[in-house]
Amino acid sequence: AQSVTQPDIHITVSEGASLELRCNYSYGATPYLFWYVQSPGQGLQLLLKYFSGDTLVQGIKGFEAEFKRSQSSFNLRKPSVHWSDAAEYFCAVGLLMEYGNKLVFGAGTILRVKS
Amino acid sequence: EAQVTQNPRYLITVTGKKLTVTCSQNMNHEYMSWYRQDPGLGLRQIYYSMNVEVTDKGDVPEGYKVSRKEKRNFPLILESPSPNQTSLYFCASSPGTSGITDTQYFGPGTRLTVL
Repeated sequence: AQSVTQPDIHITVSEGASLELRCNYSYGATPYLFWYVQSPGQGLQLLLKYFSGDTLVQGIKGFEAEFKRSQSSFNLRKPSVHWSDAAEYFCAVGLLMEYGNKLVFGAGTILRVKS
Repeated sequence: EAQVTQNPRYLITVTGKKLTVTCSQNMNHEYMSWYRQDPGLGLRQIYYSMNVEVTDKGDVPEGYKVSRKEKRNFPLILESPSPNQTSLYFCASSPGTSGITDTQYFGPGTRLTVL
């Protein structure tokens, strides 16, 4: 069955440190890949997406993600974390289906930033 | 301002009392969808609508109904709510009919508690 795994439920990093959030998916073909961020009390906002082409994708707020087909991974990175990055991050996979496409989300990773 | 709005934002109700959560978008989007978010499970799709003529079940449709009588509105109806429907609900929309090749724009969420 298709699934999206975010192995880390919580991550704490110091402000200014680098960040990597992991995402693995289980799907036969190359899916559409997304990272969303949810700030406290807010809806979800798209950070970046990958459909095809260059496997390193740049997004908003200084985030980037790299698609690695051999590892079925789409990890999110940021070189220097700011306190405002504290939020919950969701990896999602878009699946093309014969009847109705599907967006499958991971369970999320809560990022805490310490000063 | 382009946005997806949901009402109410917070709702406490009792088992069996029918309720409707409204969702409206002002971006002329074709695709609309409802998700529920539960801790440790991420977001799961309840129903989606590719356009005003096509509506279908997502992964967790039991106990919910939707209607898409006009493009901008996509209400979520709980005919007989039960405590296991206590959750945070999100409505989303996207420009095309695919739902995954375009960015999905999320509403602010509705926190529902069923006693």
